[in-house]
Amino acid sequence: NAGVMQNPRHLVRRRGQEARLRCSPMKGHSHVYWYRQLPEEGLKFMVYLQKENIIDESGMPKERFSAEFPKEGPSILRIQQVVRGDSAAYFCASSPPSATGRAFFGQGTRLTVV
Amino acid sequence: KNEVEQSPQNLTAQEGEFITINCSYSVGISALHWLQQHPGGGIVSLFMLSSGKKKHGRLIATINIQEKHSSLHITASHPRDSAVYICAVLNAGGTSYGKLTFGQGTILTVHP
Repeated sequence: NAGVMQNPRHLVRRRGQEARLRCSPMKGHSHVYWYRQLPEEGLKFMVYLQKENIIDESGMPKERFSAEFPKEGPSILRIQQVVRGDSAAYFCASSPPSATGRAFFGQGTRLTVV
Repeated sequence: KNEVEQSPQNLTAQEGEFITINCSYSVGISALHWLQQHPGGGIVSLFMLSSGKKKHGRLIATINIQEKHSSLHITASHPRDSAVYICAVLNAGGTSYGKLTFGQGTILTVHP
């Protein structure tokens, strides 16, 4: 049973380009969470998704950021028109639907905006 | 003031020492996680606690719900334990186990 898979591990984008970060949850997990870790700062919750539904996006910046978790395929975190301040590590976690399930984290995607 | 506070922020130890990292939180919680992050690496969940104490190998985690405090202990520390240790809480009433509020992390360095 593979863990939470994120790709790419490292992503370099020029200012103004789009960044797409992918997260494949663990088998049997239907809940996906995205977090951001800015340089020298702690982790912050961004968004919580279930298949085809955004459950809680209270941590998402209001503009340029979007997330989806389609019926088939990985969850995608999309950042449009990236700026230098978007440079960070983005982590994905997944959990099963049961009340006792804990979240498991991926290796993260390090985004660098140049 | 952050909802989750860790101490110390930095910790240096010699191999073999007993290590304690503390976490205090100001909100009602339904669960608390201890996470480990190696430099440039991913995040590993060490423990999820809602009461009492858990042990895994050389790691022990305790929580006191009344005092809103948790500790992570490492016995017989080793250089490979060098990492950032992060405390994270799930607010009371939360039904999703991943919407966590994180502490700032404790950077642990264990010298041989």
